[in-house]
Amino acid sequence: GENVEQHPSTLSVQEGDSAVIKCTYSDSASNYFPWYKQELGKGPQLIIDIRSNVGEKKDQRIAVTLNKTAKHFSLHITETQPEDSAVYFCAATTTGGGADGLTFGKGTHLIIQP
Amino acid sequence: DVKVTQSSRYLVKRTGEKVFLECVQDMDHENMFWYRQDPGLGLRLIYFSYDVKMKEKGDIPEGYSVSREKKERFSLILESASTNQTSMYLCASSSGAASSEQFFGPGTRLTVL
Repeated sequence: GENVEQHPSTLSVQEGDSAVIKCTYSDSASNYFPWYKQELGKGPQLIIDIRSNVGEKKDQRIAVTLNKTAKHFSLHITETQPEDSAVYFCAATTTGGGADGLTFGKGTHLIIQP
Repeated sequence: DVKVTQSSRYLVKRTGEKVFLECVQDMDHENMFWYRQDPGLGLRLIYFSYDVKMKEKGDIPEGYSVSREKKERFSLILESASTNQTSMYLCASSSGAASSEQFFGPGTRLTVL
């Protein structure tokens, strides 16, 4: 089955700086890669996703890049703000229609230092 | 807005008890999922369902079963709870479209003594 590795486990950056979180996956058939943000006491929430036919996707201060050859994808957050502090999870799955259970990375605790 | 609710935020049970965790979604989603979340391990898929009365095993189904009698409700059952099932349990739902967004509930923190 799929295996997703995520690094780093903890990331501390100064407010206003950029943050990068990296993930690798093992199953070359995986073709959908979402990123979730989990705030304290809440369930994860989707912030951005990318499909294997796209190399990069941006949404305001957030971007995701995908390298299918190397089987890795990354989350980039620019101009970080205090509200970006949270745990971030990458995930991967193979879409075949219908329900798609996700394989998650172990998470990155992002800390924004004022 | 999609709302996924879970019956309890906190639950304490004893070893050997039968435990039911309930999840309800209000967006008429076809797909529903149960994950457990443990520190340093991320989220792991236990079971999922793509239709009423249908179920599929995820990555760690051992010790669990599920029930989906109605489209909006997905139950996770621990037949005989054990201490290694102490965890945060998260329910999610998504529409029938391939790779659609999964919406998560707030989670149930289960402690088995």
